[in-house]
Amino acid sequence: GAVVSQHPSRVICKSGTSVKIECRSLDFQATTMFWYRQFPKQSLMLMATSNEGSKATYEQGVEKDKFLINHASLTLSTLTVTSAHPEDSSFYICSAPPGGDPLRMQYFGPGTRLTVT
Amino acid sequence: AQTVTQSQPEMSVQEAETVTLSCTYDTSESDYYLFWYKQPPSRQMILVIRQEAYKQQNATENRFSVNFQKAAKSFSLKISDSQLGDAAMYFCAYRGGADGLTFGKGTHLIIQP
Repeated sequence: GAVVSQHPSRVICKSGTSVKIECRSLDFQATTMFWYRQFPKQSLMLMATSNEGSKATYEQGVEKDKFLINHASLTLSTLTVTSAHPEDSSFYICSAPPGGDPLRMQYFGPGTRLTVT
Repeated sequence: AQTVTQSQPEMSVQEAETVTLSCTYDTSESDYYLFWYKQPPSRQMILVIRQEAYKQQNATENRFSVNFQKAAKSFSLKISDSQLGDAAMYFCAYRGGADGLTFGKGTHLIIQP
């Protein structure tokens, strides 16, 4: 089946620094990717929709200047958490629908655990 | 905005028995997709089953089946012959149009040996 990878799987950074998380579709092209955040013992919350070659669409309440998304190719989307603070510590998960059709089934990456100290 | 409600924070079932997880949703759209995802301790999201709203027939995948009641906006998951490996968090999710998924709060499923 389709595979989505994320890198890194875990990252610890100091407060005030920035950290980049990569999401790759390994065996299919994805013109659209989605970024979710999951706090401990909670559900996944959609943060933004990443569109190849155009600006990302952010959900209400998500700061676009803090969570920078770049979808530079058909297989790679990156999420950069800028000026990270402890409250940004969370599990970040990306997903992508094969074929670029958002109506099709999504495949999820394994997630990235971010800890901000 | 769409909402997904899972009213059972935790469910417990004996191994080999059947369990049903509940999910209701609210939407004004007529065309959408519904999903059940499983999240084991590894936190990898695994698709269990999906249902297209325009299909009246309930989806089935081996031991997993759904009861989709479109008028009632209900989408429950039945797991038959429960196995120890079924223990996980189960999330009901909604997708309309080209949007990302809206998830319920999840149900923690415990399998008693």
